[in-house]
Amino acid sequence: EVQLVESGGGLVQPGRSLRLSCAASGFTFDDYAMHWVRQAPGKGLEWVSGISWNSGSIGYADSVKGRFTISRDNAKNSLYLQMNSLRAEDTALYYCAKDYYAGYSSTIDYWGQGTLVTVSS
Amino acid sequence: QSVLTQPPSASGTPGQRVTISCSGSSSNIGSNTVNWYQQLPGTAPKLLIYSNNQRPSGVPDRFSGSKSGTSASLAISGLQSEDEADYYCAAWDDSLNAHVVFGGGTKLTVL
Repeated sequence: EVQLVESGGGLVQPGRSLRLSCAASGFTFDDYAMHWVRQAPGKGLEWVSGISWNSGSIGYADSVKGRFTISRDNAKNSLYLQMNSLRAEDTALYYCAKDYYAGYSSTIDYWGQGTLVTVSS
Repeated sequence: QSVLTQPPSASGTPGQRVTISCSGSSSNIGSNTVNWYQQLPGTAPKLLIYSNNQRPSGVPDRFSGSKSGTSASLAISGLQSEDEADYYCAAWDDSLNAHVVFGGGTKLTVL
């Protein structure tokens, strides 16, 4: 059974940093691309970032480019999101998600339960 | 403002057939496949349709997808109360910053 368990969310002040982690199990982690997708309270889904199976291809939404960094450790079956210079508009539930393919695409076949990030003073 | 445009709401009665549209452009739906996600209240999204019209294992054949030009549609036949959820379309966008784009979501109400 595929499991994606996010951690690292919490309350943080504007301008500060936070690092999200995602522990994956139930599939061969280094065969698939991974994503972070977020959902602000009461709002729709917003793709944040994606990374291919070998970290050779990485992409970011314009809204986070230059502030967020996605990475993965295939030896630890883990995905990360380093979030710097956080803003109030970054407040959201952050989902770790598995791609259907090795290169990141728009086909996300499994989602975690999410970790809540709240940016407020 | 989402790159892909969906109606904010849709509704139907049990047993009815409803469709949800998703409109894009030549850089996304026009040149890439479309996926649909279902998000039941309080839960994570679930892949419902991929590659325009393919159903993952376990998804009932009441759900179907189609694409024409720069638009796509999700159809639900034999509507059931448990289909009440938010539905999102998604596609790859080939614009300058190539990335994944979602529709704004459609809240389906079963009357």
